[in-house]
Amino acid sequence: DADVTQTPRNRITKTGKRIMLECSQTKGHDRMYWYRQDPGLGLRLIYYSFDVKDINKGEISDGYSVSRQAQAKFSLSLESAIPNQTALYFCATQGQGSGNTIYFGEGSWLTVV
Amino acid sequence: GENVEQHPSTLSVQEGDSAVIKCTYSDSASNYFPWYKQELGKRPQLIIDIRSNVGEKKDQRIAVTLNKTAKHFSLHITETQPEDSAVYFCAEARDYKLSFGAGTTVTVRA
Repeated sequence: DADVTQTPRNRITKTGKRIMLECSQTKGHDRMYWYRQDPGLGLRLIYYSFDVKDINKGEISDGYSVSRQAQAKFSLSLESAIPNQTALYFCATQGQGSGNTIYFGEGSWLTVV
Repeated sequence: GENVEQHPSTLSVQEGDSAVIKCTYSDSASNYFPWYKQELGKRPQLIIDIRSNVGEKKDQRIAVTLNKTAKHFSLHITETQPEDSAVYFCAEARDYKLSFGAGTTVTVRA
């Protein structure tokens, strides 16, 4: 759905650099998530937020931080990127009216060299 | 995800045959089990889901079965077609937050 927009879509960065991935949604959903996808490992949860004042760690939060600037915006930061953070990152949203259905953004390819 | 095991990791089927993917989970309180399909270079999208109060659900050529006692659920695709080639992910949830399996790459041979 174009309702969940991620920027940038592709980024190459150097080891040690700070990088931010941004996510915005027009679905009006309260819950937002950041997942990381690696081959053979599926989708692993990094952080999630159920509203503007709520931030929760997922299963692989080390090396990442997030900010929920508004209901519609949820950004993921790598303070000091390292090569094993090279992956495809997905933002996702979930609304009370949609049951548990999660809607993914188009993904952001991040390469750390 | 750490809560869900998915098998097989790859599956090759002849067009027209059936494909079955199985997942097991550990949390007996899990109550929602969706399946997502991810085509090459695209985002995962929900194809079917089932809740813990239902044992089976069908949508055209796709069906999902749930065995709560054994804590496993399966995706069944009948009469496979080339457009069914993709990566399929199972997931489970207890309190909204989904944990995903590692994925199954399905290839449908013409």
